[in-house]
Amino acid sequence: KAGVTQTPRYLIKTRGQQVTLSCSPISGHRSVSWYQQTPGQGLQFLFEYFSETQRNKGNFPGRFSGRQFSNSRSEMNVSTLELGDSALYLCASSLTTGTNQPQHFGDGTRLSIL
Amino acid sequence: AQTVTQSQPEMSVQEAETVTLSCTYDTSESNYYLFWYKQPPSRQMILVIRQEAYKQQNATENRFSVNFQKAAKSFSLKISDSQLGDTAMYFCAFITGANNLFFGTGTRLTVIP
Repeated sequence: KAGVTQTPRYLIKTRGQQVTLSCSPISGHRSVSWYQQTPGQGLQFLFEYFSETQRNKGNFPGRFSGRQFSNSRSEMNVSTLELGDSALYLCASSLTTGTNQPQHFGDGTRLSIL
Repeated sequence: AQTVTQSQPEMSVQEAETVTLSCTYDTSESNYYLFWYKQPPSRQMILVIRQEAYKQQNATENRFSVNFQKAAKSFSLKISDSQLGDTAMYFCAFITGANNLFFGTGTRLTVIP
């Protein structure tokens, strides 16, 4: 069974631009969560989607948004990019939502803002 | 507040030896799960082991085991017979009903041949 797939693997943008990252979960998984990983802040939760609905949101500004499609694939969008948005963005999927579901991570998208 | 503390930024161990990584956490939730993830240089986050908070028995997974002390909110990871492939960043994390993982800052483990 294929794992979580994130595209693109690397991305370079400039300040003020916007970016869309994609995540395809493991087949059959319906929950997708997004995390931001930076050297300074570590791993921080962005949001979770389940059945095309945002179930939970972390403490990030409204420039960070996402959506989930009927096939459970998810996209994350960041508008008006800032230098501080440079990070590794990780997507994780699980069968369903809930505390007992282990999350399986993708390889991440490395976003660099110039 | 939900927090996870890993007090050892870096550790090293000789190949075939045993090493223990420490983790403490704080949550007011009664229902939660605890995890250890490893992140090798390839950067993919890999689940190592998980523990249900309501279970007293410590989880084990081959060479990996945990020492879960619920009252002390402590969740350490023991790696036995360390292998070169165990070299990675190790993150302790827990998840509550809101289904978002809270991560520690990580421990960089180096296995020395």
